[in-house]
Amino acid sequence: EAGVVQSPRYKIIEKKQPVAFWCNPISGHNTLYWYLQNLGQGPELLIRYENEEAVDDSQLPKDRFSAERLKGVDSTLKIQPAELGDSAVYLCASSLSGNTDTQYFGPGTRLTVL
Amino acid sequence: GENVEQHPSTLSVQEGDSAVIKCTYSDSASNYFPWYKQELGKRPQLIIDIRSNVGEKKDQRIAVTLNKTAKHFSLHITETQPEDSAVYFCAADTGGFKTIFGAGTRLFVKA
Repeated sequence: EAGVVQSPRYKIIEKKQPVAFWCNPISGHNTLYWYLQNLGQGPELLIRYENEEAVDDSQLPKDRFSAERLKGVDSTLKIQPAELGDSAVYLCASSLSGNTDTQYFGPGTRLTVL
Repeated sequence: GENVEQHPSTLSVQEGDSAVIKCTYSDSASNYFPWYKQELGKRPQLIIDIRSNVGEKKDQRIAVTLNKTAKHFSLHITETQPEDSAVYFCAADTGGFKTIFGAGTRLFVKA
């Protein structure tokens, strides 16, 4: 069974530029999560989807971040414009459902904003 | 808001010794407590989890204990090996379908 796939693995951009990350969850997983992980810290939830509905986006900085999960499968996370403080690893995870099911993480996208 | 505190932040043990990592959580509605291992540059991977109706769970050299009254849970690794060296994260599912992670413990196992 294929795991959670993310691309790109690494991205270097200049501040004020836009950037997008893509995630393909494990087949059959209804719940998809985007996390931000700063160096030396645990993952912090940005947004959670149940199928195509964003059910928890309270931690998503909506002035510059946006996300979508068309058709309830793949998801994209966008930052526009990027700021220096956005440099981090962006992790995608999926689970069968959102009710205490095990979350499986993708390899992450390491973003560097110069 | 909900919070998970994890200690210690760094732990160094000799190969063959035991390692213990402790976490406390704030939301009494939390009912699911997973532990993840993250090696350098890799994804977090679930190593063991425990639900609130269980006090202890063991899987080979790894065990987790839960004290709901005190709102703390611990990871125990016995007979540590160099390949156990990694960052370990505890987490608590708050019951509102939100998983809160601890800040992580960097474990070094010295050969």
